[in-house]
Amino acid sequence: QSVLTQPPSASGTPGQRVTISCSGSSSNIGSNYVYWYQQLPGTAPKLLIYRNNQRPSGVPDRFSGSKSGTSASLAISGLRSEDEADYHCAAWDDSLGGPVFGGGTKLTVL
Amino acid sequence: EVQLVQSGAEVKKPGESLKISCKGSGYTFTTSWIGWVRQMPGKGLEWLGIIYPGDSDTRYSPSFPGQVTISADKSINTAYLQWSSLKASDTAMYFCARLEGGNKRAYDYWGQGTLVTVSS
Repeated sequence: QSVLTQPPSASGTPGQRVTISCSGSSSNIGSNYVYWYQQLPGTAPKLLIYRNNQRPSGVPDRFSGSKSGTSASLAISGLRSEDEADYHCAAWDDSLGGPVFGGGTKLTVL
Repeated sequence: EVQLVQSGAEVKKPGESLKISCKGSGYTFTTSWIGWVRQMPGKGLEWLGIIYPGDSDTRYSPSFPGQVTISADKSINTAYLQWSSLKASDTAMYFCARLEGGNKRAYDYWGQGTLVTVSS
């Protein structure tokens, strides 16, 4: 059972906007930055969002992150077929002393 | 360019030992934490532990007590994950990843992964 909670699946049609949620507690999301990763099948996770809402260079502005209290969200606008992947959230946990993950959300582009 | 390059896939029998590696380049290896992450087939990411190569300060996830050992050799910019006695349930993909600079952060750069298969 993961420390952070994500929905196991999400879906949308091309061009749509979808959001993926990540719920935690005061010891992780509530007091530390949230990170989001995209994992295509058979590959390593790739950083999409860091420090709640910052995009690394090369990540399209279709991807955005937000945080409120002990929850965070990843939004993907203008959905494309190549966005079909697993998405993971992460944050440092003060009680456990390291970075913890959500269970991952499988995004399907219909 | 920051890179983390992991050692190749391994096939082992239960009870055998194993040490896999992660070599960093393109940044100052001794001043960033490195973590090890497990991904079992079809499952999510799980934090195993982190190490600061500068002084080998190591923290383990409470979810994996005594199951693995993390170490680093700063002279060759390499971190390690090892098992003394593998079990079939250790079959998984293992990633190393660098923690973003600063206190209490998560990962930015990732290795390509090392697939460990334990089967009799």
